Amino acid sequence: DTEVTQTPKHLVMGMTNKKSLKCEQHMGHRAMYWYKQKAKKPPELMFVYSYEKLSINESVPSRFSPECPNSSLLNLHLHALQPEDSALYLCASSLRTGDSPLHFGNGTRLTVT
Amino acid sequence: SQKIEQNSEALNIQEGKTATLTCNYTNYSPAYLQWYRQDPGRGPVFLLLIRENEKEKRKERLKVTFDTTLKQSLFHITASQPADSATYLCAPSTPGGSYIPTFGRGTSLIVHP
Repeated sequence: DTEVTQTPKHLVMGMTNKKSLKCEQHMGHRAMYWYKQKAKKPPELMFVYSYEKLSINESVPSRFSPECPNSSLLNLHLHALQPEDSALYLCASSLRTGDSPLHFGNGTRLTVT
Repeated sequence: SQKIEQNSEALNIQEGKTATLTCNYTNYSPAYLQWYRQDPGRGPVFLLLIRENEKEKRKERLKVTFDTTLKQSLFHITASQPADSATYLCAPSTPGGSYIPTFGRGTSLIVHP
């Protein structure tokens, strides 16, 4: 088991639904990340939070909305997604941004119907 | 633009042999480079980090080299075991102040008993 917990493990949603992905870590890390991974592709960076402030948004469509309520929690709010958004969504944390290794959760497998 | 290249074909080796995986990058000079292991349906797991001023790093059966002149990192697993079978991702840091790692597409390693 990883020290980064993601829920739910699987999610199926329609294009008109609103859902949220959750991520939690208790390692005292101050940087948290969302990555998206499609089959046989590398993880692609979506968002980075540093000290609970959004520091990087990799031009992600507004139907994905991140939130960092505190230093241990990271949410990804989903609304009006498209079938091509189906992927494995990975959360990661690190002590800080820069040369700190990333600790990943096992992801949420999202299917948009 | 920046580019990260890893062998797209799977690497098949016999148990007990040394596996060598290659990561080449172009058009930039990362401050550091990380290697991760990813098993199917799971998040990547950090293995090793090497900085631009380091030539080599070791951890148990793992060894990483970093040649900033060739713009290449090699990842070695000695005395390989079937349990080492996985996809190995190279992640050089991106330029700019945040130095967030960007992942290559990975090389699949299959160790045959």
